[in-house]
Amino acid sequence: QKEVEQNSGPLSVPEGAIASLNCTYSDRGSQSFFWYRQYSGKSPELIMSIYSNGDKEDGRFTAQLNKASQYVSLLIRDSQPSDSATYLCAAEGRGGSYIPTFGRGTSLIVHP
Amino acid sequence: DAGVIQSPRHEVTEMGQEVTLRCKPISGHNSLFWYRQTMMRGLELLIYFNNNVPIDDSGMPEDRFSAKMPNASFSTLKIQPSEPRDSAVYFCASTPGGAGELFFGEGSRLTVL
Repeated sequence: QKEVEQNSGPLSVPEGAIASLNCTYSDRGSQSFFWYRQYSGKSPELIMSIYSNGDKEDGRFTAQLNKASQYVSLLIRDSQPSDSATYLCAAEGRGGSYIPTFGRGTSLIVHP
Repeated sequence: DAGVIQSPRHEVTEMGQEVTLRCKPISGHNSLFWYRQTMMRGLELLIYFNNNVPIDDSGMPEDRFSAKMPNASFSTLKIQPSEPRDSAVYFCASTPGGAGELFFGEGSRLTVL
């Protein structure tokens, strides 16, 4: 049973649109949540972290967390072709540990 | 500052051969993770070290895999004997400890023929 689920996509959006990426997790004990971006052939890099219910905004990125629904999302406003990448959702706190569990990622394509 | 350093970047070997992947974490980071990434299974945790001690190795596929961290600045992941199904990108990541951002190395792409 996969603990963090994401739609693999690809999600295709036009330049300038809002891209919405979603993630669900199964472990109610998870406390911390992260979004990583991974360009093709590169390693993951952190773009957002969120620890409490609600929204967290950082530039064009907004992370949303709903612990009751075990749901995390990432919104990318004014999407740019350079945002085209795979976005990995991670949940931390499995079994009370600090070990992040990753989803398989959603591929985002932003076309001009 | 140097990031997480992994070697080799690419490794092509034949089935049955021993493979050793190496990782140097960021100085001062006391937690180190080895992950494996494939298209089919995504990013899977293999083993997690804290202060050089293996804390969780439940993701290590089988006895063919072993990992060591002899000191705070070096870790190895060894596969012996290697099999074609081990072909993947192996990432090492470190963190200062506790919850927070993982800093990934560039990965080691392993191909077992």
